[in-house]
Amino acid sequence: GIQVEQSPPDLILQEGANSTLRCNFSDSVNNLQWFHQNPWGQLINLFYIPSGTKQNGRLSATTVATERYSLLYISSSQTTDSGVYFCAASLYQFYFGTGTSLTVIP
Amino acid sequence: DTAVSQTPKYLVTQMGNDKSIKCEQNLGHDTMYWYKQDSKKFLKIMFSYNNKELIINETVPNRFSPKSPDKAHLNLHINSLELGDSAVYFCASSQAQSNNYGYTFGSGTRLTVV
Repeated sequence: GIQVEQSPPDLILQEGANSTLRCNFSDSVNNLQWFHQNPWGQLINLFYIPSGTKQNGRLSATTVATERYSLLYISSSQTTDSGVYFCAASLYQFYFGTGTSLTVIP
Repeated sequence: DTAVSQTPKYLVTQMGNDKSIKCEQNLGHDTMYWYKQDSKKFLKIMFSYNNKELIINETVPNRFSPKSPDKAHLNLHINSLELGDSAVYFCASSQAQSNNYGYTFGSGTRLTVV
């Protein structure tokens, strides 16, 4: 299956700081998604982004499929951004990365 | 209305018991999935159903048996529960088997086997 690696594994930010999370995948994919798992365990779909760039408020994502990576940008971080961020890449089924655990401190 | 709903949210049971987790989606999606999230937060697919037919069956013990009475429901039955089955189980759905559409996840079922 597709290998999906995320970095960094852990990240601690002061509220208001910006960050970039990276997702590398081992093979060509036709689908990529970013998810946020909040401290209550709920998985929330952030972006469906097989290629290109999308923005949603303080979050944006870019996928460069030819180079097999995707980036998630978080600007002006808030404590509610804390949780685990997963990327999942798919050709025929989704494979998840191991996640980036983000803690935003006030 | 919840798009993908799972019941129960929490399940505590003894070793050796048989239990079921139910999942329903009201999105009109034709593909549904079961994922297992272990204690290290790693998410791994277990099963995928498209229009009530099994598409993906990853290497899981045959004590786990999915059942899809219709394309809006995918239930997971687990026989002879073991301690190692403790995890969070997520149901998800998507619009097309080819995965050209994103996933929507349920809120998860935390299973604890004692």
